[in-house]
Amino acid sequence: DQQVKQNSPSLSVQEGRISILNCDYTNSMFDYFLWYKKYPAEGPTFLISISSIKDKNEDGRFTVFLNKSAKHLSLHIVPSQPGDSAVYFCAASGGDGNKLVFGAGTILRVKS
Amino acid sequence: DTAVSQTPKYLVTQMGNDKSIKCEQNLGHDTMYWYKQDSKKFLKIMFSYNNKELIINETVPNRFSPKSPDKAHLNLHINSLELGDSAVYFCASSQLSTAYGNTIYFGEGSWLTVV
Repeated sequence: DQQVKQNSPSLSVQEGRISILNCDYTNSMFDYFLWYKKYPAEGPTFLISISSIKDKNEDGRFTVFLNKSAKHLSLHIVPSQPGDSAVYFCAASGGDGNKLVFGAGTILRVKS
Repeated sequence: DTAVSQTPKYLVTQMGNDKSIKCEQNLGHDTMYWYKQDSKKFLKIMFSYNNKELIINETVPNRFSPKSPDKAHLNLHINSLELGDSAVYFCASSQLSTAYGNTIYFGEGSWLTVV
């Protein structure tokens, strides 16, 4: 039972344009959401998070939007850079407390 | 000055063997985890420890036994390895033991291949 879904396995974007990565969740008890970035042969690294009391959080080129009614969040990267090419994991927690539930990831390729 | 380090990075072993993966964090965190990334690329939690005490134990076969000698170390021992154990195992740590508002820091992963 996938509680966190990233339905796009991959995304290709031109350098300088916006990258939008999407994530849907099914558990209405989730109240904290994160995005992690992962390069090949490395561990995931924390990128940005958002609490359910907000609908937007921004950090430099990265903005996460949360739509609770739709159980949807998205990560916007503007402008996209070749170094952003990586796998992006959406993750969520809440309800049963201590567990972070991850999506399957989206491969982002930024072409120069 | 790696924050979360795990060894070995790559491990190829035969079915039936027993192997261990070691993990150490120098972040001063109280909580450590083991995650497994399976063939479908999902990252799933296996165990978490807070100050050497087990707090999360997902439905993992008994062949997997975590051991935390101190709060900076969490080792994973796997007995009687099976083909299906082939995966990438990530060690991680965090300051908090609860998920809300918490940031988890991951190691680089250990690629286990059982042949």
